[in-house]
Amino acid sequence: QKEVEQNSGPLSVPEGAIASLNCTYSDRGSQSFFWYRQYSGKSPELIMFIYSNGDKEDGRFTAQLNKASQYVSLLIRDSQPSDSATYLCAVTSGSSTLGRLYFGRGTQLTVWP
Amino acid sequence: DTGVSQDPRHKITKRGQNVTFRCDPISEHNRLYWYRQTLGQGPEFLTYFQNEAQLEKSRLLSDRFSAERPKGSFSTLEIQRTEQGDSAMYLCASGRQGLLGGYTFGSGTRLTVV
Repeated sequence: QKEVEQNSGPLSVPEGAIASLNCTYSDRGSQSFFWYRQYSGKSPELIMFIYSNGDKEDGRFTAQLNKASQYVSLLIRDSQPSDSATYLCAVTSGSSTLGRLYFGRGTQLTVWP
Repeated sequence: DTGVSQDPRHKITKRGQNVTFRCDPISEHNRLYWYRQTLGQGPEFLTYFQNEAQLEKSRLLSDRFSAERPKGSFSTLEIQRTEQGDSAMYLCASGRQGLLGGYTFGSGTRLTVV
């Protein structure tokens, strides 16, 4: 059973702060890692993906991957109230980048003004 | 690129009835996925297709569930003899083999079994 664990929420940060979301996974064979954002009542929306160890930055978002520790994180800088959502970590099984994804339960983030 | 389209958006059905959902993927995507999501949980994999071939099916998918993608374009997911435990959001996603960057979800079909 492949497991994806996310830090328990909810997470609440003030506007302008850095929000840090964490995820660990059990399958050492996982090669591709994704962060999805899901607003209440909506479907997941892909915001970041990462394949290589290290950091990947896209605007206010930074994904960090450490395969040796089986750990992936998402940092949101200058958090905005519009970032309030549930963030889902997802990983693939094996080397395929487009096979099934295993999702965590999500971390609910609230950014208060 | 018109996105992934799902129909209907909402479905309320009585226990024991059959329901069918439709998904139209992004046109150039050859892979299509079905997931199910309940409140407070992440999406749970059901099955996926590459073109018209069903490549993987979750063991969680009972024999009351069947999915088809007859011409490698749209797909249908049928649930027979629905149970209250089937109440969930059913999500369809599409992607292209070899395309880096994950896949795109549709808006989902919310099923309520009463």
